[in-house]
Amino acid sequence: DVVMTQSPLSLPVALGQPASISCRSSQSLVHSDGNTYLNWFQQRPGQSPRRLIYKVSNRDSGVPDRFSGSGSGTEFTLRISRVEAEDVGVYYCMQGTHSWTFGQGTKVEIK
Amino acid sequence: EVQLVESGGGLVQPGGSLRLSCAASGFNFSPYSMNWLRQAPGKGLEWLSHIRGDGGGITYADSVKGRFTISRDNVKNSLYLQMNSLRDEDTAVYYCARDTRGSADYWGQGTLVTVSS
Repeated sequence: DVVMTQSPLSLPVALGQPASISCRSSQSLVHSDGNTYLNWFQQRPGQSPRRLIYKVSNRDSGVPDRFSGSGSGTEFTLRISRVEAEDVGVYYCMQGTHSWTFGQGTKVEIK
Repeated sequence: EVQLVESGGGLVQPGGSLRLSCAASGFNFSPYSMNWLRQAPGKGLEWLSHIRGDGGGITYADSVKGRFTISRDNVKNSLYLQMNSLRDEDTAVYYCARDTRGSADYWGQGTLVTVSS
């Protein structure tokens, strides 16, 4: 199984400041079709997960442009350019290249 | 609007069975692969099972293989998860999610399964 490792696991951030979450996979996420199926999800308290980013850097409809994804191969990053109060929650990376596996989650809170 | 609504959760004793349902609406259900996932209290997300739109291509996580069975009814626009031989560690919120090649673009609100004596 592909192991996804996120860091940090806890991320206190002041309002208006940037935040960055790292996700590393135990093997390359480049699929034989040429795509890299790395996704980012946000789970607000008491809610279901919501997809923010798919295929590394594609933002879902309605996702604010302060969220961005980057990376390749086995190293990926989710960035929030200016954290807002509504961004509080747990963020998960998920790989969909070799079945589906998730990172442990990163809890974002306001400092 | 795409909607996925899970039901069937509840309290069950260890060794018991439960059948979860996921009602889909707002999209053409039959072409889409679907998945079941779960989240134990205070824990992360775990993928459980996948089924292709035609009912084939079924796969399971090792943690539930041989105990859980995924199925679907494209006439009723519904996805199911039959859970047998339930254990304490199966206690979780169970989600269904629509599969779009390497991703889950829509999730239901979840249904809570509690396994306890």
